[in-house]
Amino acid sequence: QKEVEQDPGPLSVPEGAIVSLNCTYSNSAFQYFMWYRQYSRKGPELLMYTYSSGNKEDGRFTAQVDKSSKYISLFIRDSQPSDSATYLCAANNAGNMLTFGGGTRLMVKP
Amino acid sequence: DSGVTQTPKHLITATGQRVTLRCSPRSGDLSVYWYQQSLDQGLQFLIQYYNGEERAKGNILERFSAQQFPDLHSELNLSSLELGDSALYFCASSASSDGGTEAFFGQGTRLTVV
Repeated sequence: QKEVEQDPGPLSVPEGAIVSLNCTYSNSAFQYFMWYRQYSRKGPELLMYTYSSGNKEDGRFTAQVDKSSKYISLFIRDSQPSDSATYLCAANNAGNMLTFGGGTRLMVKP
Repeated sequence: DSGVTQTPKHLITATGQRVTLRCSPRSGDLSVYWYQQSLDQGLQFLIQYYNGEERAKGNILERFSAQQFPDLHSELNLSSLELGDSALYFCASSASSDGGTEAFFGQGTRLTVV
């Protein structure tokens, strides 16, 4: 079993929808949780990171971490076709190694 | 543009050969991380260098090695290449030694072993 699990999708939604992307993890030592966006043939781009449990909001994006259930979520409001990409969750324990989920492919249809 | 530069963008080589991938970190960043992304394994951490010294090691094969030079650029050397080494190789950089949470990725080098 991988330490960070993510549904590969694809997830297809209409433009303007609220998107919910989720990950689960197994390592209780993880303290930092990140969301990256990766467009096709590009490098991952850091969207947000949170420390421990709680919510963090940045524009249309909200990251949520529930350490009690080992659940990580990313919500995208008013989704746009330009949000179509693969979203990767990642976690680490304040060390240097990020452990990534397999990524969820999101398609936002106009 | 993340500010992290990787060369070459694409590389095609034969089994058994050796290649070198190069990474220039963002200006001011002292840490360089190497990751491998394949369809079956996803994005996996290989190794980290901080200011010229190896700081952390992940799932890096013995056939692979890396170094960071005084000007802070880094090279990843892959030798005795196998078909299964075909993947995207990413370099990321951050300012601090424990900045894995705020690492910025380059565009990657796509390696194809034939």
